[in-house]
Amino acid sequence: DIVMTQSPHSLPVTPGEPASISCRSSQSLLLRNGYNYLDWYLQKPGQSPQLLIYLNSIRASGVPDRFSGSGSGTEFTLEISRVEAEDVGVYYCMQNLQNPLTFGGGTKVEIK
Amino acid sequence: QVQLQESGPGLVKPSETLSLTCTVSGYSISTNYYWAWFRQPPGKGLEWIGSFYYNENTYYSSSLKSRVTISLDTSKTQFSLILTSVTPTDTAVYYCARRQGTWDINWWDPWGQGTLVTVSS
Repeated sequence: DIVMTQSPHSLPVTPGEPASISCRSSQSLLLRNGYNYLDWYLQKPGQSPQLLIYLNSIRASGVPDRFSGSGSGTEFTLEISRVEAEDVGVYYCMQNLQNPLTFGGGTKVEIK
Repeated sequence: QVQLQESGPGLVKPSETLSLTCTVSGYSISTNYYWAWFRQPPGKGLEWIGSFYYNENTYYSSSLKSRVTISLDTSKTQFSLILTSVTPTDTAVYYCARRQGTWDINWWDPWGQGTLVTVSS
């Protein structure tokens, strides 16, 4: 199984400031087609996970452009250019390369 | 617009069988998409349970494989999750989801709102 490791576990943020979350996979998520099979989700309190980014860097429909994904192979980053109050919740990375699909442990983003 | 809704009993006794249904609206299951079940124990992270592609193989988590069955309802608007011999560690919010896209460009969205199942006597 591919092990996903996220950091930090908790991230206090100031509105208007940038934020960054890291995700590492135990094996490469890059295929020969050039795609990295790494997705990012945000789970707001009391809600189901909502897709933010798929294939490492493609924003899902309706996701603000302050969210961006980057990286390749085994190292990935989700960046929020300017955090807003509505961005609080737990962020998860997930590898979509192979079964079993596996998730990082989550990063809880909260407002300072 | 595709919507998914999980349903089932909120309380199951230890050693009994958990049975959940995912009702799909706005789309037919009998087309070329993957469908899946996930779960999330209270206060913990997300876990994949299993996936299936219409009329083809079903894939299960190795840790649950001996106890889980995912199947398609003949009405083609629902699919189900059956988990046998449950214990309190199976207490979780259970989600169903659909994979969109093609074989090489795909993503899991939407997800249902989830249903909490508590295993307790």
